[in-house]
Formats: sequence, C-alpha cells, structure tokens
Amino acid sequence: TQLLEQSPQFLSIQEGENLTVYCNSSSVFSSLQWYRQEPGEGPVLLVTVVTGGEVKKLKRLTFQFGDARKDSSLHITAAQPGDTGLYLCVRRRNAGGTSYGKLTFGQGTILTVHP
Amino acid sequence: EAGVAQSPRYKIIEKRQSVAFWCNPISGHATLYWYQQILGQGPKLLIQFQNNGVVDDSQLPKDRFSAERLKGVDSTLKIQPAKLEDSAVYLCASSSPRGTLTTNEKLFFGSGTQLSVL
Repeated sequence: TQLLEQSPQFLSIQEGENLTVYCNSSSVFSSLQWYRQEPGEGPVLLVTVVTGGEVKKLKRLTFQFGDARKDSSLHITAAQPGDTGLYLCVRRRNAGGTSYGKLTFGQGTILTVHP
Repeated sequence: EAGVAQSPRYKIIEKRQSVAFWCNPISGHATLYWYQQILGQGPKLLIQFQNNGVVDDSQLPKDRFSAERLKGVDSTLKIQPAKLEDSAVYLCASSSPRGTLTTNEKLFFGSGTQLSVL
C-alpha cells in the first residue's frame, strides 16, 4: 500500500508564528497536490508540484517538493487565524492507458491559529 | 461558474435505516468521485466514475453501499442498511473538463453531507 504520512497530525500556534508541515512516502510521486479544508467545507486545491526540487510560493505559503520526489513540505510564514484548517497532501498515480490516475490522500494536519 | 452541489447538507438516521446522497458535478466534468471522510482524517475514496462508467470501486463496501451516475452527470450514493461506523462526511468531487485525466488534474469538491448514524 502506497501510504502518505503527514506530520504533525495536530498543530496549535499563535498568530504570527511560522510553521512547517510535512508529507512523506516510501514511493516516488508522479505529482503531489496540497489542499486546505476549512470546517464544514470541501478541500480546496492550493498547489500542484511536479518536478523534484520544485519550490512554489502562494503569498505566505511556500511549498517544496523533495529532490527525490518522495516528500514535500508546506511552510507558512506569520500564520493568521484564517489559515486554520485541515491541510491535506494528495499524490496521484500516473494517468494514461488504462490507469485513471488514482489519488491517495494523506491523513492531514489539523492547524489551529489562535488570535 | 457553479461549483459541485451536494444534498442534503446534514442527515441523521438510526442504524439499519437507509440513506441517499445526491451530487451534481461541475458542468462538463467527466470524472466524479465519492469520498468518505471520518472526522479529523483525510478523505477515503469510495468510488470513481469516468462519465457514467465505474473505474474504481475497490474500497466501496458493496454489501451496503451503492452508487450510480446515470447519463454521466448527476450521481447518487446510497447506504442500506446504515451502521454506526458509517457516521462521516460524504464528499463528492469532480474533475476532467476535457474528459481525460492528467497528472495535474484539479479536483473540485462539494461541501459534503454530514451523516450521523445513531
């Protein structure tokens, strides 16, 4: 079973602090996506990373894909209460041929940012 | 652009009763997913449709769960009979506006149906 391990499982911080969450697998990712899910809503895509070593920035969020494409990290600078939510990493198996690109979700990191 | 619509928003039933959820994906999206999400965990795929055909139902408990996507648009997910452990949020998602999946395909999720089985 190709599992995604996310850490930490829970994170409770004060507004203005920095944080990093991690997503790891023993298998190589073809691509990896990060989603954020707010309470009572469905997940929303934040970013997709494809190339080993790739770094993408989305305002205060920095996403990094490991050189070997087996791990990824999400760093948030100066966290705000609006960043509160469940952060999910998702890997997709290669699509094409008879494969329909099966997705695997990590168990998520629950982030709470206190004012 | 309208998002993925799901109903009902909440449902409370007793064990052994039946329940059905409805999903209307984004117009033109060929792929439709049903996920089960236990509180505080990541979503678990129940079934994936490509148009009106099933491409992955390996984690669907077929003795009690069923799903259909007639005409390749709307979909319904049914549980009959429900068990206590079925209490969860049921999420519907859609993707593939061009009809074929790519590695970077973006999923669009509905807000989910929160099911409580008493």
